[in-house]
Amino acid sequence: DGGITQSPKYLFRKEGQNVTLSCEQNLNHDAMYWYRQDPGQGLRLIYYSQIVNDFQKGDIAEGYSVSREKKESFPLTVTSAQKNPTAFYLCASSIGGGGAQETQYFGPGTRLLVL
Amino acid sequence: GENVEQHPSTLSVQEGDSAVIKCTYSDSASNYFPWYKQELGKRPQLIIDIRSNVGEKKDQRIAVTLNKTAKHFSLHITETQPEDSAVYFCAAVWRAQKLVFGQGTRLTINP
Repeated sequence: DGGITQSPKYLFRKEGQNVTLSCEQNLNHDAMYWYRQDPGQGLRLIYYSQIVNDFQKGDIAEGYSVSREKKESFPLTVTSAQKNPTAFYLCASSIGGGGAQETQYFGPGTRLLVL
Repeated sequence: GENVEQHPSTLSVQEGDSAVIKCTYSDSASNYFPWYKQELGKRPQLIIDIRSNVGEKKDQRIAVTLNKTAKHFSLHITETQPEDSAVYFCAAVWRAQKLVFGQGTRLTINP
């Protein structure tokens, strides 16, 4: 699990504000993922990227945006269109090339709270 | 549609006893089934996984069994210890595109 970092650990968002969550990995992985975890629930996929400069929507992409300009970085922006953003956000990466049947390794997470 | 059902949602066992968590999945083409352990406020960590070409895999006190015909797989933890207390998630691949996670099982080991 080392090699994937997320920042900040806690993030506070005001009404109407966009905020960006950082995810960096030094594992030389091609694939990266963003998940949202709500209390007492499983992980839901927001966006994923199999390679630099390419990404796809997951199950709950509305109100979120991503970019993948560098292999090691996959930032997630929570826009003002996301009306219920309070959650634990987890970034993950996998070696890439094998699709979803590869082992995914998770970062430590960012907890987003709305003021 | 894509779905992974996980049971039970909570499980409490005496230290030293065994714990079993079961998951069922909907995509008959799924070929990869990981199990993650998540301690409070921490990241999920892979504890064991199984691919569809085998029916069982074991790693010390942890084992996973897979029944492809019935589309279910199970996590078995033997000789449970207090440090096994955590939330456990199963997952299955959906149409080779993504992992779909179960809702989680909160396991409590009572001393």
